[in-house]
Amino acid sequence: AQRVTQPEKLLSVFKGAPVELKCNYSYSGSPELFWYVQYSRQRLQLLLRHISRESIKGFTADLNKGETSFHLKKPFAQEEDSAMYYCALIHWVTGGGNKLTFGTGTQLKVEL
Amino acid sequence: DADVTQTPRNRITKTGKRIMLECSQTKGHDRMYWYRQDPGLGLRLIYYSFDVKDINKGEISDGYSVSRQAQAKFSLSLESAIPNQTALYFCATSDKLAELFNEQFFGPGTRLTVL
Repeated sequence: AQRVTQPEKLLSVFKGAPVELKCNYSYSGSPELFWYVQYSRQRLQLLLRHISRESIKGFTADLNKGETSFHLKKPFAQEEDSAMYYCALIHWVTGGGNKLTFGTGTQLKVEL
Repeated sequence: DADVTQTPRNRITKTGKRIMLECSQTKGHDRMYWYRQDPGLGLRLIYYSFDVKDINKGEISDGYSVSRQAQAKFSLSLESAIPNQTALYFCATSDKLAELFNEQFFGPGTRLTVL
């Protein structure tokens, strides 16, 4: 069965410090992973997806199949990055369609 | 703007009561999902529907039922609410035509408290 693990419930960093939010997965197929973010009083929204190899708001994430990881990184944290971050894995359903399995989330707090 | 809406936004009910949470969307998406969010447990999938005639159980469907009344509406029911169903409930949608990217669009959430 597919699984997504985010080992840190809370990560606190100072403004300007590097950020790394950890995500590990287990999946028997070819993994496709995402990071979703939930800012205070806002809806959960997609931050980035590994298939697009993009950098959004200074964040990047590289899929490492050898280590089964998809860690989210940013070189210099900003106060506005404070939010709850969820790693998610696609699971393809027999007969067509897919669904997401989410990790338990990491609350990032950027302190001044 | 196309949107995902949920009603009610907050609800307090008593053990044993039947309650329905509603989700509507104007995005024209065919896929809809119900999740619950609990501190320390993240989002867990309750039910999902790939089109009007398709209903599937998620990982925690016990104690819940759903109805897909139309492409735009997906309701979640608690037949007999219990306190451990106290949680934040989210509806989400996704577009079949963008399946590979599978971006899900979330509603604002319904905070349910069962006393």
